[in-house]
Amino acid sequence: EDQVTQSPEALRLQEGESSSLNCSYTVSGLRGLFWYRQDPGKGPEFLFTLYSAGEEKEKERLKATLTKKESFLHITAPKPEDSATYLCAVQFASGGSYIPTFGRGTSLIVHP
Amino acid sequence: DSGVTQTPKHLITATGQRVTLRCSPRSGDLSVYWYQQSLDQGLQFLIQYYNGEERAKGNILERFSAQQFPDLHSELNLSSLELGDSALYFCASSVGDSHYEQYFGPGTRLTVT
Repeated sequence: EDQVTQSPEALRLQEGESSSLNCSYTVSGLRGLFWYRQDPGKGPEFLFTLYSAGEEKEKERLKATLTKKESFLHITAPKPEDSATYLCAVQFASGGSYIPTFGRGTSLIVHP
Repeated sequence: DSGVTQTPKHLITATGQRVTLRCSPRSGDLSVYWYQQSLDQGLQFLIQYYNGEERAKGNILERFSAQQFPDLHSELNLSSLELGDSALYFCASSVGDSHYEQYFGPGTRLTVT
């Protein structure tokens, strides 16, 4: 069964304490893995798209990487404003169309 | 600001009623996606339209329906509402049919009493 799993569910960091979030997926023929950030009560905000194993993307303190089975979102020296839920998503092929599927997310809290 | 607009922001209605949620995509985007987000289910894909045609269907109930109009705005109709339909409903848009990043609107919070 095609699915997306994120870990950990929740992560608490001290400001400046680097860490990584994981997104593992089971899908035949990946056509893109997407990372989003969501603040409480707001719509998800697009961060990165990764299309092939070995690809990396960076934005400020965030760096996303992709392997054949998982993706990591590395957060370097986080700040309190990085606190949010981080979602990953893939699209599964189904009957000629593609179904977007999101993981449950990792809730990140960065303490000052 | 993603450029995607949704109305209304909040909606409170009673069980058994029918409501319509509206979404305007970013300028130039042809795809519109609808999602439901509740605390226990996460972000669930409902349906996608591309340039006026239905392209993909997720876990959308038969009581729910959607359409995309010639000006590319979309409406999600929810009928015979139940308490369990209370959730945040998001619309997202993307430039292409699939494999493109999506830009989400601010959402409509639906409360069914």
